[in-house]
Amino acid sequence: SQQGEEDPQALSIQEGENATMNCSYKTSINNLQWYRQNSGRGLVHLILIRSNEREKHSGRLRVTLDTSKKSSSLLITASRAADTASYFCATGSVSGTYKYIFGTGTRLKVLA
Amino acid sequence: NAGVTQTPKFQVLKTGQSMTLQCAQDMNHNSMYWYRQDPGMGLRLIYYSASEGTTDKGEVPNGYNVSRLNKREFSLRLESAAPSQTSVYFCASSSGGGSGNTIYFGEGSWLTVV
Repeated sequence: SQQGEEDPQALSIQEGENATMNCSYKTSINNLQWYRQNSGRGLVHLILIRSNEREKHSGRLRVTLDTSKKSSSLLITASRAADTASYFCATGSVSGTYKYIFGTGTRLKVLA
Repeated sequence: NAGVTQTPKFQVLKTGQSMTLQCAQDMNHNSMYWYRQDPGMGLRLIYYSASEGTTDKGEVPNGYNVSRLNKREFSLRLESAAPSQTSVYFCASSSGGGSGNTIYFGEGSWLTVV
């Protein structure tokens, strides 16, 4: 079964609004990463947060990690039509970060 | 700098046929991965290679074999294709180890088994 589960599965917002998506996972992790996938393309890395970090920022992205709840959230502020894509979380296990398990993704649509 | 290159981009197979998906990276990464992506299922790890000379099963290895030919190349073989293997396949690589490294993806290979 999938390690990560994103919520919601789909999200539709107006340009300029904030978008929040969540990721829950099942086992202890070393790090958690967020990726973006445009339709028909490969995944692109957005941000990595380690298990000893609680929050991280990168431009319009803000990621939080709550290891006690085994969950993470990705916030995209002031969204743009170009942010329309699918977003995935990926977890690296404590036993070694060679194997990354991805969630099912959140499909974000930003309406102009 | 090409990053991760996988071939072919598109392939149609008949049930029972075999084929190999090729993947190469030019970033001197230690670790390489093969994922499949089905609608509504996200990405599922088929096999990975933590370093040259090693391979390990992922979440859905049945029906597949892999070869880490050298540090650059990691191939995925379907010995007897089945319609259930219709999917988009992604090769990826990372520097591996440590406390987390970015994974770089290829552009995907669309495989249809009829």
